[in-house]
Amino acid sequence: AQSVAQPEDQVNVAEGNPLTVKCTYSVSGNPYLFWYVQYPNRGLQFLLKYITGDNLVKGSYGFEAEFNKSQTSFHLKKPSALVSDSALYFCAVRASNDYKLSFGAGTTVTVRA
Amino acid sequence: DAGVIQSPRHEVTEMGQEVTLRCKPISGHDYLFWYRQTMMRGLELLIYFNNNVPIDDSGMPEDRFSAKMPNASFSTLKIQPSEPRDSAVYFCASSLWDREGLPDTQYFGPGTRLTVL
Repeated sequence: AQSVAQPEDQVNVAEGNPLTVKCTYSVSGNPYLFWYVQYPNRGLQFLLKYITGDNLVKGSYGFEAEFNKSQTSFHLKKPSALVSDSALYFCAVRASNDYKLSFGAGTTVTVRA
Repeated sequence: DAGVIQSPRHEVTEMGQEVTLRCKPISGHDYLFWYRQTMMRGLELLIYFNNNVPIDDSGMPEDRFSAKMPNASFSTLKIQPSEPRDSAVYFCASSLWDREGLPDTQYFGPGTRLTVL
């Protein structure tokens, strides 16, 4: 079985400060890891993914994520948050030999001006 | 690219009525997924198709739910009869396949917000 944990329901940061959204996972075999963002009344938008290679993955809108195999983590980061980054963020994982993508419960990010 | 298209965006119906949700995947994508999102249960995979063939429908909650994909550019999710507990946002997603033949990055539609009174 595979699972994703997003330990923080909410993250609040001031604009211009670094933003980190945490994610840990459990999967049999090699993990394929994804981050999505959901704005109100919208679908999920793909931000970035880790399949293999460099542990630091860069994605859309200035976001990046670091894969840490020993800690089974894939935290999402942005060096300088914007008010427009306020949204719901989902981490997801699937095993490299499986079809099913498992999502975390989501983390609501609020960036205050 | 228009992305994944879903219709309607909002649906309000009364208990017992039939509801049909529609999805047009991204052209050329081989996989299509139907998800349901609720506050209580988060995102749940209901069913997925590969090349128009249903592969796994183990997430479909009851026999009241059915899904079809008559061609590569259209899928429907039907609920008959609908119940208030079916109220949720239903998402369709599509993807290409990766080098192992498994789903690559999934791209989501805007969703259909279903309210059953």
